[in-house]
Order: sequence, then C-alpha cells, then structure tokens
Amino acid sequence: KAGVTQTPRYLIKTRGQQVTLSCSPISGHRSVSWYQQTPGQGLQFLFEYFSETQRNKGNFPGRFSGRQFSNSRSEMNVSTLELGDSALYLCASSRDTFDEQFFGPGTRLTVL
Amino acid sequence: AQKVTQAQTEISVVEKEDVTLDCVYETRDTTYYLFWYKQPPSGELVFLIRRNSFDEQNEISGRYSWNFQKSTSSFNFTITASQVVDSAVYFCALKTNAGKSTFGDGTTLTVKP
Repeated sequence: KAGVTQTPRYLIKTRGQQVTLSCSPISGHRSVSWYQQTPGQGLQFLFEYFSETQRNKGNFPGRFSGRQFSNSRSEMNVSTLELGDSALYLCASSRDTFDEQFFGPGTRLTVL
Repeated sequence: AQKVTQAQTEISVVEKEDVTLDCVYETRDTTYYLFWYKQPPSGELVFLIRRNSFDEQNEISGRYSWNFQKSTSSFNFTITASQVVDSAVYFCALKTNAGKSTFGDGTTLTVKP
C-alpha cells in the first residue's frame, strides 16, 4: 500500500509570494490533516479535511487555507508569505478523524 | 483549551536501559483520544498507539508499554531494554471530541551503544 506522498519536497519562496502544497493520502483514507512543524513552535495543527469539507481548524491566520478534492487529495495554500512561515509542512491521512494518522515526509518551505 | 506537556525535552540512556517518557494532558472534554508517535532522525512520523478516554487498560507491545492514568491525566510510554534504533523524537498527542489535534513538544531520546 502506497504511503502518504507530498509534493514538492522542498520549496524556496520570497516574502509576499504565495505557495501551494499538495498531499496524496493513502488509498481509502478520507481524512487529511495538515501540520506546521518548526523548532520553536513544535507541531501545530492547521486544519483537517474530510470528504471535501473542512472539519477542524487550528489557530492560524486566514492566509493559510486548504481544500480537498473528491479523490481525497488535498492542497494547502499560503498567501502573502512571511519569513515566519518557513517550516516543515506535514500532511497526515487517516480513515476517519479519530483514527491513527499516517504522515507524509513533509514539504520543507523556506521563505527568504 | 487543550494542552499536552512533555516535560522531558531530551533523554539520554545507554543501550539496554529502560526509559519512560512522560506525557501529561489537559482537556475539559470527557471523550478524547491520546496518541504516541515516533519521528526517527530525518524520518517521517510513525504511529505507535492510540487510546480513547474510556479505555484505561495499560498496553504492552514487545518492548513498548503504555500507562494511561486518567486520575493524573497522564499517558506515559516506557521502552524496556532500549536499543540504538529507538533513538528518535517521540510525540504525545491529544485529540478531543471537537477533532482538533494538539501535540506535545516532543522528547528527544538518544540511546547510546
């Protein structure tokens, strides 16, 4: 069974730009969650999508948004990038909200 | 508000020692789920265990065991006879009925040969 895949693996952007990250969950998993991981803040929950609907949202500004497609693939978008957005963005999939999550390798975003 | 505290930032042990990683959580919800994940060096987070708030049975899986105590809001993780391959960052996580996930800051475990 293929694991969670994330593309791209690395991204370098400049302040003010926007970025879109992609996540393909494990086949059959309908829940996709996004996290931001930084040395200072640890793992912070961004949002969760289930069957194309946002189910839960963390405490991030509106510049962070996401969506999920009918095949459960998900994208996350960050607009007007700031230096502080530099982080590892992790995607995790699960069958349902409270099941164990399977994490992807992450996208390393660097904002210059 | 919900919170997960992993007070031990770093632990270093010698191979074959037993080690316990502490996790204390806070939530007002009566229904919630607790998780442990392992993140090896330069690796992906890997699920270890899930517990719901109504199941206080301790669990053992090989060299790993978990002690869930609602009375002290703790969900501690013990590795028996540690091995070098156990070196990783270990995260405790809480998910309440509302569905929001909260992770602890992680404990970096180093097992020396």
